[in-house]
Amino acid sequence: QKEVEQDPGPLSVPEGAIVSLNCTYSNSAFQYFMWYRQYSRKGPELLMYTYSSGNKEDGRFTAQVDKSSKYISLFIRDSQPSDSATYLCAMSFYGQNFVFGPGTRLSVLP
Amino acid sequence: GAVVSQHPSRVICKSGTSVKIECRSLDFQATTMFWYRQFPKQSLMLMATSNEGSKATYEQGVEKDKFLINHASLTLSTLTVTSAHPEDSSFYICSARVRTSAWNEQFFGPGTRLTVL
Repeated sequence: QKEVEQDPGPLSVPEGAIVSLNCTYSNSAFQYFMWYRQYSRKGPELLMYTYSSGNKEDGRFTAQVDKSSKYISLFIRDSQPSDSATYLCAMSFYGQNFVFGPGTRLSVLP
Repeated sequence: GAVVSQHPSRVICKSGTSVKIECRSLDFQATTMFWYRQFPKQSLMLMATSNEGSKATYEQGVEKDKFLINHASLTLSTLTVTSAHPEDSSFYICSARVRTSAWNEQFFGPGTRLTVL
């Protein structure tokens, strides 16, 4: 079993749809949960991070962490074509290296 | 957010040659930098952790004599791919850890695409 699993997609949705992206993980020690967006041939950029369980909202983006289920989600409301990218989840515990999921490719169609 | 640059953004080289990639933190000091490799449609795989003034720590399966890492200052780390072969062709991304961040946030560079002919 991989440490972090993520559906690679591709996921195609119409503009304006709500997008749900998910990751599952096996290491219960993870405390920090991040979502990165990566455009083609670019480095990842941080969208959101969450410490421990709970929800966090930033504009059109909402991150959820359920540590009991070892499951994290990223929701994108009112999706735009500019949201088309690969979304990577990443996890760590304090002072330790990040472990990335394989990424989900998202296409938002105009 | 903090800015990390990489140079070059793209390099094509012949098999057997060496290639150096630079990673710079432009507006902050990074005591730790990371080097990742990403193959098409795959996630980032950590190759090594680079600490300023000390030897890099390599992940299992990464040849330290092939991927030379130097972190000579708080703003610069270099990765040298020695005797490159076609299988080394990949997207190499560095990141820099923000020391003052409560959760050791990393900022990523734009990546370097290496093609070995």
